[in-house]
Amino acid sequence: DGGITQSPKYLFRKEGQNVTLSCEQNLNHDAMYWYRQDPGQGLRLIYYSQIVNDFQKGDIAEGYSVSREKKESFPLTVTSAQKNPTAFYLCASSTYNEQFFGPGTRLTVL
Amino acid sequence: QQQVKQSPQSLIVQKGGIPIINCAYENTAFDYFPWYQQFPGKGPALLIAIRPDVSEKKEGRFTISFNKSAKQFSLHIMDSQPGDSATYFCAASTNAGKSTFGDGTTLTVKP
Repeated sequence: DGGITQSPKYLFRKEGQNVTLSCEQNLNHDAMYWYRQDPGQGLRLIYYSQIVNDFQKGDIAEGYSVSREKKESFPLTVTSAQKNPTAFYLCASSTYNEQFFGPGTRLTVL
Repeated sequence: QQQVKQSPQSLIVQKGGIPIINCAYENTAFDYFPWYQQFPGKGPALLIAIRPDVSEKKEGRFTISFNKSAKQFSLHIMDSQPGDSATYFCAASTNAGKSTFGDGTTLTVKP
């Protein structure tokens, strides 16, 4: 089945720790995105990549980092510099206009 | 500067009612206007989309109305059902692919 997978579904982190969220797609899409969603709020763009080995900051990139070494993979690292990391994180990929979303990772900082 | 404004923030209707969610955009370069549906704890999924060369698109019980001159578009859900209770996001994008999302509307359909 084609689609986007995110792991883990739930993630707990202690303050001061870095954590990496996985995103993999087998849709052969060039573009991939990371969004943050807080309760009752919309989708805020963290980073996006339109081609392998290239990525751009979105609206809220501070405290996050990404890499795009393979077309299929776009991992997101939440660093200790992110002051309020507890949120629902969504990965997406797209070809032309339509975006396909993964099931999300809920990160909780303890 | 928010480029896509969505309203209302929340909406409650009775089963069989016709909820309407509105969005307005500013950037005239946008040429693709999708609506996404998101259930709690899940990722959004594409529901229906329209391009600015048509004024209306219907898929099942879901209809998009598009007004290019007013830079507005809306989602209508006919004969709404409790299973339609979800958060709905409008979005706008160009061929570059990066989308701008509205803030979402939480719809509750009461039985």
